[in-house]
Amino acid sequence: KQEVTQIPAALSVPEGENLVLNCSFTDSAIYNLQWFRQDPGKGLTSLLLIQSSQREQTSGRLNASLDKSSGRSTLYIAASQPGDSATYLCAVVYGNNRLAFGKGNQVVVIP
Amino acid sequence: GAGVSQSPRYKVAKRGQDVALRCDPISGHVSLFWYQQALGQGPEFLTYFQNEAQLDKSGLPSDRFFAERPEGSVSTLKIQRTQQEDSAVYLCASSLEYPIRGMETQYFGPGTRLLVL
Repeated sequence: KQEVTQIPAALSVPEGENLVLNCSFTDSAIYNLQWFRQDPGKGLTSLLLIQSSQREQTSGRLNASLDKSSGRSTLYIAASQPGDSATYLCAVVYGNNRLAFGKGNQVVVIP
Repeated sequence: GAGVSQSPRYKVAKRGQDVALRCDPISGHVSLFWYQQALGQGPEFLTYFQNEAQLDKSGLPSDRFFAERPEGSVSTLKIQRTQQEDSAVYLCASSLEYPIRGMETQYFGPGTRLLVL
């Protein structure tokens, strides 16, 4: 069974600092990896999708890397803002297009 | 365009009651997924449809859970004889293409928050 782990579970950073969120998965046979954002009481918003053949994806202040062989992904958020406060979920697509999620990184950016 | 919508947004049920949760995927999306998210946890896969065919229901926790998508668009997740452990957020997601290409983003709805008393 695919296991996805996210570290740290929660973190607080002052505004302007860079955020580094880590994700690891146990089975490297994945189709792709997605990072999502979840705000309290709301659904998931897809931030970045990295295909298994890719090493990274960038969108604005967000950059995600993928090391498939070692089962790791890192999400970088540059120059964090209070509006970045949310839970960030990492998910891998494997098997019959099933998404396996981690428990999330709960982020608070302090103004 | 319109995203994935779910109804109701909130549902309170008495233990033993049957509930039905509705998902309207993005128009034209082939694949539809249901996930269950317990408090403080990541979403867990429940079931997957490709058009009207339910191709994977291995994540359904018991035979009290039943999902259907009869016309290949709207889907309903039904929970019979609800138990307190069924309390969770139920998320629906859809994606445009067939899954084997592995490149398609899943778009999530806002979820239905179910509380069983």
